[in-house]
Amino acid sequence: DVKVTQSSRYLVKRTGEKVFLECVQDMDHENMFWYRQDPGLGLRLIYFSYDVKMKEKGDIPEGYSVSREKKERFSLILESASTNQTSMYLCASSLGFDTQYFGPGTRLTVL
Amino acid sequence: AQSVAQPEDQVNVAEGNPLTVKCTYSVSGNPYLFWYVQYPNRGLQFLLKYITGDNLVKGSYGFEAEFNKSQTSFYLKKPSALVSDSALYFCAVRDDDYKLSFGAGTTVTVRA
Repeated sequence: DVKVTQSSRYLVKRTGEKVFLECVQDMDHENMFWYRQDPGLGLRLIYFSYDVKMKEKGDIPEGYSVSREKKERFSLILESASTNQTSMYLCASSLGFDTQYFGPGTRLTVL
Repeated sequence: AQSVAQPEDQVNVAEGNPLTVKCTYSVSGNPYLFWYVQYPNRGLQFLLKYITGDNLVKGSYGFEAEFNKSQTSFYLKKPSALVSDSALYFCAVRDDDYKLSFGAGTTVTVRA
């Protein structure tokens, strides 16, 4: 079974803090993705990576950056957290064009 | 650009009755369609996908989906719903790219 893990289930941060969200997958997938989920909006793609050190912007990259130094790990960085970044963050991975598998999510609250 | 629409915010059914969740899509190329389910405070779980072939696709937990190209629809179905099927369901579409586009989600409530 594919396993995607995320470093925290719940996270509370203050406005202006730098926030790191970590995602690890154990199936040697090339592609990894970061989404945010907000009620009524579904999932929106923030960034994705199709190889180590490669990244591409998704639909809503503003205020975020990413890092992929190793194939199994994909990090989402909020350089200076703001209250409008309070959301559920979901990481996913896939092999080629195949099915994306999701982690359990991190619910981030920015105060 | 690809997109999906889930026209129903909520679907309510009685246990034992058929369950249908609607999804319509728009793509420029061949559609690759997916259904995911999300239980409270959990990530998304893959249910099934349509890539090509038979218009009726079988998936996990007794779910199936019907692909209709002429109506650009991909309906999720279960012949006999269970209370434990109560969850948030997402339809997603991909064309010739890595990226998935998700619908806003449909909340399914199955009452005992």
